Amino acid sequence: GAVVSQHPSRVICKSGTSVKIECRSLDFQATTMFWYRQFPKQSLMLMATSNEGSKATYEQGVEKDKFLINHASLTLSTLTVTSAHPEDSSFYICSAENPSSRDSEAFFGQGTRLTVV
Amino acid sequence: QKEVEQDPGPLSVPEGAIVSLNCTYSNSAFQYFMWYRQYSRKGPELLMYTYSSGNKEDGRFTAQVDKSSKYISLFIRDSQPSDSATYLCAMSNSGNTPLVFGKGTRLSVIA
Repeated sequence: GAVVSQHPSRVICKSGTSVKIECRSLDFQATTMFWYRQFPKQSLMLMATSNEGSKATYEQGVEKDKFLINHASLTLSTLTVTSAHPEDSSFYICSAENPSSRDSEAFFGQGTRLTVV
Repeated sequence: QKEVEQDPGPLSVPEGAIVSLNCTYSNSAFQYFMWYRQYSRKGPELLMYTYSSGNKEDGRFTAQVDKSSKYISLFIRDSQPSDSATYLCAMSNSGNTPLVFGKGTRLSVIA
């Protein structure tokens, strides 16, 4: 089936540094990708919708200057957490829609566990 | 009221039991309903995908959607220890809108 690859799976960074997370659709072209964040024992919360070739749409309360999203190609979206702080430590997951699948089914990446120390 | 409500559990059952997981929702515009399984420290994987009301069966898993009651269920028959995970319900208005997730129910199947 369709595969979405997310990298890295785990990253530890120092407070104040930036971290880039990549989300790739391996066997389909995704015009739309979504970025979610999941805190421990919480549900996935949508952060932003990433559209190829245009600006991302951010959910209320998500700082667009802190969470930079670039969807430069139909198979790659990146999320950069800038000037990371310990409260940004979380599990970040991307999903990509396969427009060729039934009802544009969404496929998830493996997730990235970010720890800011 | 949250858009999607799901009891977080934890739910502990013996091996071989039938498991029933449920979600309620408030947005009548939801048309697509999904169940995801998430193992610890992993991304969610799609288990069942249902459009509108009705039942869908896939192996040991059965998904039910009752739009009139705004209630969805996932049944797991002959549960196995390998089914131990967090199960998230999710739903959306259409095929290309972001999903709204429940909080997830943590399930433990004891051998």
